[in-house]
Parts: sequence; structure tokens; C-alpha cells
Amino acid sequence: AQSVTQLDSQVPVFEEAPVELRCNYSSSVSVYLFWYVQYPNQGLQLLLKYLSGSTLVKGINGFEAEFNKSQTSFHLRKPSVHISDTAEYFCAVSDRGAGFQKLVFGTGTRLLVSP
Amino acid sequence: NAGVTQTPKFQVLKTGQSMTLQCAQDMNHEYMSWYRQDPGMGLRLIHYSVGAGITDQGEVPNGYNVSRSTTEDFPLRLLSAAPSQTSVYFCASSRDPQSSYNEQFFGPGTRLTVL
Repeated sequence: AQSVTQLDSQVPVFEEAPVELRCNYSSSVSVYLFWYVQYPNQGLQLLLKYLSGSTLVKGINGFEAEFNKSQTSFHLRKPSVHISDTAEYFCAVSDRGAGFQKLVFGTGTRLLVSP
Repeated sequence: NAGVTQTPKFQVLKTGQSMTLQCAQDMNHEYMSWYRQDPGMGLRLIHYSVGAGITDQGEVPNGYNVSRSTTEDFPLRLLSAAPSQTSVYFCASSRDPQSSYNEQFFGPGTRLTVL
């Protein structure tokens, strides 16, 4: 069975600084990987996903993530954050070809951007 | 398109009371699901449906019932509420139930407190 680890429960950062949110996963098969964002008092919204092909995936709002198979990681990055990026970010993994019932979410990382 | 809508936004129940959380989507999605979100635990799948008349259990189904009489609606019933069911509940939907590579669209959530 898959599992997802988001080691950082909270990441404080100043506006315009770069940020990396870490995600590691474990699975015995090929996977799909996702990052979702949850703004305060809202539902989750898909930021980006890795299905296959290029290991560098670009998403909305200037975020990108890199799939590293050897390190089983899918870290999320942004070169310059804004106050509006303050939110909770969830990494998720699913076995390739599996249905949504196999999608496993991490525990989330709260990004706090201050001026 | 309203997307995925959930009612109510907030609810307080006493132990032993019953209630139904409503979820509707207007995107003609086949797949619908219910998650609960608890601090430090990410999202956990309660029940899901791959089409009208078809439902199945997720990771944490105990204490919850669902039905799917139409494509649009997927209500979640708490038969006898317990304090352990205090949580934020999210409904989600997706076009194709067969593969998790599709995006899931989430509702805004229902914050439930059981006293």
C-alpha cells in the first residue's frame, strides 16, 4: 500500500522568498503524484500532477514540482511566494491505473507567508 | 456551473442525533466521494460512488451511510452522531471513476461538531 510523508507541518517564509515543501512517498508500483492546495475555509484545489514523462511539472500560480523516482520524492517549489500563497498544501499519491479509492493524501503542510 | 456544493457549512449536533450532509454537483461527474479532514491526519476516504446506484466503503466508513439515487447528489448520513465524528467533511467529484489521474473537484466543506 502507498503512503505519503510530509515532514513539515508548517513552513514560515517571508514574501518574495523561495519555498520548497517536501513530499516523500512509498509504493511498490508506478504512481501518479499530486499536489492540492486548500485556502482558508475552502475546499481543495488541484495545483499540479505528475502522470508520466517529464519529471518537472508546472502547475498553477507559479508552482512547480519535480518527480524523483530514486528518492521517491515529489517536492513542491516556488521561486518567489506571495502573501496570497498562505494556505495548506497536500501531497497525494495513487497507484498508476488505480481508481480514486486508492488515492492517499499526506497530512498537509501549512505555508505561512509574512510581509 | 456551481461545481460541487455542500450544505450546511456548519453544524452542531448532540451525541446520538442523526443528520444528513448534502452534496451535489452539476458537472455530470460519475465519481463522487466523501472525505473527512482531521488535524494532523490529512484527508481520509469515507465512502465513494462510481455512478448512480453504486456505492462502496472507503478507509473510515463506520458510523456513516451513503446512497446515490441520481448522478448529481451524494448525501452522507450520520445515524447516531458521536464526538469522534467531529471533523470537516468534504465532498468531491470527478468525471471518470476508473482512474485517479483525473482531477477531483472539491466542495467547500461542512464543519461538524458533535457535543
